[in-house]
Amino acid sequence: GESVGLHLPTLSVQEGDNSIINCAYSNSASDYFIWYKQESGKGPQFIIDIRSNMDKRQGQRVTVLLNKTVKHLSLQIAATQPGDSAVYFCAELGGSQGNLIFGKGTKLSVKP
Amino acid sequence: KAGVTQTPRYLIKTRGQQVTLSCSPISGHRSVSWYQQTPGQGLQFLFEYFSETQRNKGNFPGRFSGRQFSNSRSEMNVSTLELGDSALYLCASSFGSHREQFFGPGTRLTVL
Repeated sequence: GESVGLHLPTLSVQEGDNSIINCAYSNSASDYFIWYKQESGKGPQFIIDIRSNMDKRQGQRVTVLLNKTVKHLSLQIAATQPGDSAVYFCAELGGSQGNLIFGKGTKLSVKP
Repeated sequence: KAGVTQTPRYLIKTRGQQVTLSCSPISGHRSVSWYQQTPGQGLQFLFEYFSETQRNKGNFPGRFSGRQFSNSRSEMNVSTLELGDSALYLCASSFGSHREQFFGPGTRLTVL
């Protein structure tokens, strides 16, 4: 069935370290993926996206990797800062209604 | 440019009542999507409106409905509220598709 899930529900890293957040998806027909960041009391905020014809895309301090062979998506955050503490969601565009399907989320905590 | 706004931010209702939530998208955005967010189910797609027409609908009962006005503002209505409808309801707008959706802060609905 269609599902987007996360390998780890929580991730704790030291300030300055790199963070890697993982996501598995099951719909091989999905052609677009997005990472969102949600801080407490706020709506999700777009971080970065990637199309299925790419395997890597870089933004400012963030990199998204897409491995279509194993249907795996990851978000790498370089030099993690306290402001990066939030819940991170991956989402795929490929639902039966043509909608975004979100994963459960990973809570990232950054220790000073 | 103003972001997506949602009103009210917090709402308390009792079982059996009905509720209407409002969303004003970013100026120029014609697509508005609604999501329900709960700790157990995560972010689930409710429906999407584009140019006053419902374009996609998620797997929610008919008690959940919505509409979009000519100025792209959208409302969603939940009738005969149940305890399980307690959630954060998020609205997201985009220019023309699901790509790069911008979320509002959400309306926190509590059903007693």
